[in-house]
Amino acid sequence: DTGVSQDPRHKITKRGQNVTFRCDPISEHNRLYWYRQTLGQGPEFLTYFQNEAQLEKSRLLSDRFSAERPKGSFSTLEIQRTEQGDSAMYLCASTPAGTSETQYFGPGTRLLVL
Amino acid sequence: GEDVEQSLFLSVREGDSSVINCTYTDSSSTYLYWYKQEPGAGLQLLTYIFSNMDMKQDQRLTVLLNKKDKHLSLRIADTQTGDSAIYFCAEKGHSSASKIIFGSGTRLSIRP
Repeated sequence: DTGVSQDPRHKITKRGQNVTFRCDPISEHNRLYWYRQTLGQGPEFLTYFQNEAQLEKSRLLSDRFSAERPKGSFSTLEIQRTEQGDSAMYLCASTPAGTSETQYFGPGTRLLVL
Repeated sequence: GEDVEQSLFLSVREGDSSVINCTYTDSSSTYLYWYKQEPGAGLQLLTYIFSNMDMKQDQRLTVLLNKKDKHLSLRIADTQTGDSAIYFCAEKGHSSASKIIFGSGTRLSIRP
């Protein structure tokens, strides 16, 4: 048990709907990451927060995607106007402050867009 | 750009050693990782190696790093059925302090 939790674990939605996922990092981890993993592939980086500041965004993060971490603790990832290509596992990871090399991953939210 | 490649499948007999190989392109990688993912589960960090090391051993796991060839391997001694999973090689590039670049994963299956 890494201690990172994600909610929901599974989400089925219809194309065009909006969805929001939540990630609760390990307590006092100031860095939080979102990755996307499609079937048969490794996770791909989406975005990264240090405390409440979003410091890096992948070009994979289209304008339909938005992530927030308003108080520097939990984070949300919203996808607007979902498309079938958004179907994937969305993984969250966290790292403590300092020069830690280890990212601790949550169990993921599996999204299916019909 | 940064890229990590690994073979898709490996099948070994129970009790034998498994060796999973990986190559990467970023010569400035600082950390290299092996993660394990079981069906329906998240990623479990198995081990990692700092780029100035060439070997790291942790119980049944041995990581070898050939920095010149940008080649990383994971050896699992005495492979057990519980080792069946997808193993991801990953690297943290020097160009970004944040993201980890993953390979596509090697599915390890164990034969009785």
